[in-house]
Amino acid sequence: KQEVTQIPAALSVPEGENLVLNCSFTDSAIYNLQWFRQDPGKGLTSLLLIQSSQREQTSGRLNASLDKSSGRSTLYIAASQPGDSATYLCAVLYNNNDMRFGAGTRLTVKP
Amino acid sequence: DAGITQSPRHKVTETGTPVTLRCHQTENHRYMYWYRQDPGHGLRLIHYSYGVKDTDKGEVSDGYSVSRSKTEDFLLTLESATSSQTSVYFCAISFGTGFTDTQYFGPGTRLTVL
Repeated sequence: KQEVTQIPAALSVPEGENLVLNCSFTDSAIYNLQWFRQDPGKGLTSLLLIQSSQREQTSGRLNASLDKSSGRSTLYIAASQPGDSATYLCAVLYNNNDMRFGAGTRLTVKP
Repeated sequence: DAGITQSPRHKVTETGTPVTLRCHQTENHRYMYWYRQDPGHGLRLIHYSYGVKDTDKGEVSDGYSVSRSKTEDFLLTLESATSSQTSVYFCAISFGTGFTDTQYFGPGTRLTVL
């Protein structure tokens, strides 16, 4: 079964710290991987999409990397801010129509 | 928010009753999706549509049906609601080539089946 795992389930850091969120997947034959942000009671907002041929994508203070051979992706957040507090989910597209989501990491950035 | 609305936003219903959730988009995009989100499970795909009257099943389609008679509307129906269908339901659209493109999500519908 193709599974996506995010560890830890929750993370609390002080403001200003650089941090890494992890996503692992069981099958390396992926099309792409997306990172999303979800605020409480809201829908998901796409942050970064990495194609299977890419190693990383960057947007502002966010950098996502992809290592298909090891079945891992990381989301790096630089200089974290209280406004970054949210749940972060990764989603793996395994073929043309099979997208699997992790359960998410709930991030709290303390002022 | 990519012009996606969901209705109702909250609903409480009883076991055995039919329920229809509506997703409406203003962007005229081809692909639309229905997901459910449950604690500890992330999001799971229920059904998706790749055009008017063109739909296919996702990972957890049992107990659900969908219809798309207009580009802008994608309906999710629970024929006979069960307590296991208590969840938050999200609609999504994608702008380009379907699953390989970025998906944009609606605000969600919280459904409680008593």
